[in-house]
Amino acid sequence: EAEVAQSPRYKITEKSQAVAFWCDPISGHATLYWYRQILGQGPELLVQFQDESVVDDSQLPKDRFSAERLKGVDSTLKIQPAELGDSAMYLCASSFYRETGELFFGEGSRLTVL
Amino acid sequence: QKEVEQDPGPLSVPEGAIVSLNCTYSNSAFQYFMWYRQYSRKGPELLMYTYSSGNKEDGRFTAQVDKSSKYISLFIRDSQPSDSATYLCAMDSSYKLIFGSGTRLLVRP
Repeated sequence: EAEVAQSPRYKITEKSQAVAFWCDPISGHATLYWYRQILGQGPELLVQFQDESVVDDSQLPKDRFSAERLKGVDSTLKIQPAELGDSAMYLCASSFYRETGELFFGEGSRLTVL
Repeated sequence: QKEVEQDPGPLSVPEGAIVSLNCTYSNSAFQYFMWYRQYSRKGPELLMYTYSSGNKEDGRFTAQVDKSSKYISLFIRDSQPSDSATYLCAMDSSYKLIFGSGTRLLVRP
């Protein structure tokens, strides 16, 4: 069964350091999402790609976060510098149809900032 | 006020019980309604997906949407310990999925 791959699964870093997360969506899925999930809360959208183009990054803290999907396949989310409040699960998801909202999530990358 | 409200629980029920999980929402533009299940330390997985008002059944799961009341429900019949997870409602409008905060469910053997 096709899956969304994410790495690393766990990352511990000190504040002010740089951190990067990688995501490989299900083959053929043109839409890719990065969500952030704080413990006890629902996922919140950070950025949405359609192929290699950003279609929604309104909730992405652009002073420290960046995301790219250069060839329209895999994607990288970067945080620099990391802050204590960035500790969360970073979830990548993909979908075949952008219109319907049927998202397939990866297992997530859990970030702890010390 | 959040666009999607969901009781965080936890909800503890004995095995075999019927479980009712609910969400309310404020944005009448929402068209697609979903329920995701999330096990501890895992990503959410899509459980049920509905477009219109009414009921949709899949095995032990029934999703119900009442657009006039802005209220959606998920019913689980004959609940099993393996159903213990966090259940997230989600709604879509303008290609953006908005999640509730999730309800933690514990099914006791």
